[in-house]
Formats: sequence, C-alpha cells, structure tokens
Amino acid sequence: NAGVTQTPKFQVLKTGQSMTLQCAQDMNHEYMSWYRQDPGMGLRLIHYSVGAGITDQGEVPNGYNVSRSTTEDFPLRLLSAAPSQTSVYFCASSYGAVSSYNEQFFGPGTRLTVL
Amino acid sequence: GIQVEQSPPDLILQEGANSTLRCNFSDSVNNLQWFHQNPWGQLINLFYIPSGTKQNGRLSATTVATERYSLLYISSSQTTDSGVYFCALDDYKLSFGAGTTVTVRA
Repeated sequence: NAGVTQTPKFQVLKTGQSMTLQCAQDMNHEYMSWYRQDPGMGLRLIHYSVGAGITDQGEVPNGYNVSRSTTEDFPLRLLSAAPSQTSVYFCASSYGAVSSYNEQFFGPGTRLTVL
Repeated sequence: GIQVEQSPPDLILQEGANSTLRCNFSDSVNNLQWFHQNPWGQLINLFYIPSGTKQNGRLSATTVATERYSLLYISSSQTTDSGVYFCALDDYKLSFGAGTTVTVRA
C-alpha cells in the first residue's frame, strides 16, 4: 500500500492564481480530510469528507473548495490564491464508517507559497 | 470545539535523559493520537490511544480519559527524537494541540 499520497510536494503561486492539491489513498478509508499548518502552530482542519459525495467544512474553510467523487481521491482547490494561504497542507484519511477505529494517517504534505 | 493544551511548549534534553509530555483536553473523546513531526515536516503516527497504556520501544503513552489527560514518555532520548510532538483528539476531524518542541542534544 502506498498509504496517503499528495502532489505536488512544493508549489509557488502568484496572487489570484488557482490550483488543485491532489490527495489519494489506497486503504479504502471512508474518511478523508485536509489540514493546514502554519509556522509554530498545530494543524487546523480545512474540509473533511465522511464518504464519497459528502463533504463538510472544518475550522478554516474560507478560500478552499473540495469534492469527493471517489473513495480514493479528495482534491483541495484554491480558486484565487492569496498570500494568507501560504502554508503546508496535509491530507489525512481514516477507516471510520462501521468501526469506531479512527486512527488517522497523514500524507507527506504540500508546501505552498503564494507571492 | 474541544480544547487541547500541551505542556511544556519547549523541552531541551541531553541525550540519554527521560522526559514526560502532557496533553490536557476539555471534553470526553473517542480518539486520541500522538504524532511526531520530524525536522523534515513529516507527521509520524506514534500512538492511537483513547484510553489505557501502550508502549513502543523507548516511547510509551498513557491516557486517563476520565481525568482528560494523556502523557507521552520518552526514555533514553536520542537526537533522532528531536522534533515537535502533537496530541490530537476527536474522530475523523482531529483537533490538534500546539505541540511540544523537543530538542535532544548530543
């Protein structure tokens, strides 16, 4: 199993550009989520999904869109990048669903800089 | 939402020393995890421990859910233990503490 994979690893954008951060998992996990980590802080939840076709907002959703058309993929879209979105982005997944076993597994992260 | 407090914020250790990191939380939880973020930014799962005690090599963790705290023990610390240790709570949408930055000096 590859686990949770994220692409790209690094990205530089100009203010106003759009892009999609990709996240995929091959563990058949129901739950997937996106977090951002800013310097000196813990991770904050952006959006999450409890299954294909279902998404919801987390703590800091503004400026980001998500969709979940398949169990495996959970892309994060920045429609008009702003310098405040400079951060490291982590995708995570967990089994959930019929089980209460919700250990989360994280991808390697995407370091995004918005100029 | 649930509040998560970690202490101490920073910890400097001499190689070989033991240490205890603490995580206090404000509400009952179904899931508690400890992570190590290494100097390269990678998040490594240490323990999934909503209650009880677990050990993995030089690391062990204890969660007392009724008293709303968890402890992470590092014994015989090594320089490779340096990094930030996070506890995180709840289910599929984790709430993270601010972390404890550990520096182990040779």
